[in-house]
Amino acid sequence: EAGVAQSPRYKIIEKRQSVAFWCNPISGHATLYWYQQILGQGPKLLIQFQNNGVVDDSQLPKDRFSAERLKGVDSTLKIQPAKLEDSAVYLCASSLELGSNQPQHFGDGTRLSIL
Amino acid sequence: KQEVTQIPAALSVPEGENLVLNCSFTDSAIYNLQWFRQDPGKGLTSLLLIQSSQREQTSGRLNASLDKSSGRSTLYIAASQPGDSATYLCAANTGNQFYFGTGTSLTVIP
Repeated sequence: EAGVAQSPRYKIIEKRQSVAFWCNPISGHATLYWYQQILGQGPKLLIQFQNNGVVDDSQLPKDRFSAERLKGVDSTLKIQPAKLEDSAVYLCASSLELGSNQPQHFGDGTRLSIL
Repeated sequence: KQEVTQIPAALSVPEGENLVLNCSFTDSAIYNLQWFRQDPGKGLTSLLLIQSSQREQTSGRLNASLDKSSGRSTLYIAASQPGDSATYLCAANTGNQFYFGTGTSLTVIP
């Protein structure tokens, strides 16, 4: 089966600019996650969707970050405006459904550098 | 809030050695625990998932154990190879969210 697809792989922008990331989960996976991974740390959950509904966005900095999954399939994560501390790898993951004993599958991530 | 800790942060072993990576979590009310491997510049690859009712899972040279009551999981790698060099992360699933450790960076020296 095809894995989780993310684009772009790399992005370099200046602070205060905006940026968007795209994720296409594994076909049939209802749950989609966006994580932020800062160098040397484990991934931190930003937002979690079940189909097109938000399950948890408690750690999403909502003043600058937004995400949507309009048709319950692919998703976009946006940062506007970007800050230096947003430099990180943004990982998308999907799983079959919330609360199941099915593993999460990750994409290769988007590495964001803020100048 | 669930906190996950991995010790050691880095480990270097000669090829062929057996090794154990440790993962501890503060809240034993987990749904499952998943071990991942992360290569430089890549996403996470799922290695093993242990359900809360299970004690261990095996895949090839990998064996993961889970002791919910003590809040611990271990990943055992037998006969290590240079290709095993990567960062290994564990994640505790509370049913709604996965909480990750900071990982153990493993280097296997040929």
